[in-house]
Amino acid sequence: GQQVMQIPQYQHVQEGEDFTTYCNSSTTLSNIQWYKQRPGGHPVFLIQLVKSGEVKKQKRLTFQFGEAKKNSSLHITATQTTDVGTYFCAGEFGNEKLTFGTGTRLTIIP
Amino acid sequence: ETGVTQTPRHLVMGMTNKKSLKCEQHLGHNAMYWYKQSAKKPLELMFVYSLEERVENNSVPSRFSPECPNSSHLFLHLHTLQPEDSALYLCASSQGEGAGDTIYFGEGSWLTVV
Repeated sequence: GQQVMQIPQYQHVQEGEDFTTYCNSSTTLSNIQWYKQRPGGHPVFLIQLVKSGEVKKQKRLTFQFGEAKKNSSLHITATQTTDVGTYFCAGEFGNEKLTFGTGTRLTIIP
Repeated sequence: ETGVTQTPRHLVMGMTNKKSLKCEQHLGHNAMYWYKQSAKKPLELMFVYSLEERVENNSVPSRFSPECPNSSHLFLHLHTLQPEDSALYLCASSQGEGAGDTIYFGEGSWLTVV
């Protein structure tokens, strides 16, 4: 089946530093969604990107969808301890089910 | 409160036991899912139901048996499980099971097989 690759698997940053996670697909995506899972919690929807080259912002979080709709990124500016968790991208290929990436686990060093 | 409620939150069972996980969604959605989350495979889709009919089964072993009596309830019946089945089982729902639908997850059921 279709796969969505996500890197890095783990990221440790000092509080206040920036963080970025990347998702890549070998085939064109219909749309891409991002989810956050806090430690001990469940994945929670953050945002959906649909258009080629789309950029959306949520406070310190910036989400991008590539021009070719094959890659996406989530960038967090000036991380805070509340940003700790695992970030998943999930891509949709045509009308198939969402395919989740392997996630990036973010830890913050105070 | 997520709108998707799972019980029990924690379950310990022996390999010869039979148990069930229960999920209820209060969002009026038409599609429900079971996902398995473990260290090896962070989010693995197991089953999808749309309007109470199973539309996808991703080659899950028969020791996992889903049941969807109506669009609000979903069960996962467990029997003769193996220790490697220990994981977090997440129920989820969405408005439809087509393009662009957001997935709403429950808080999960932590399963330990001993």
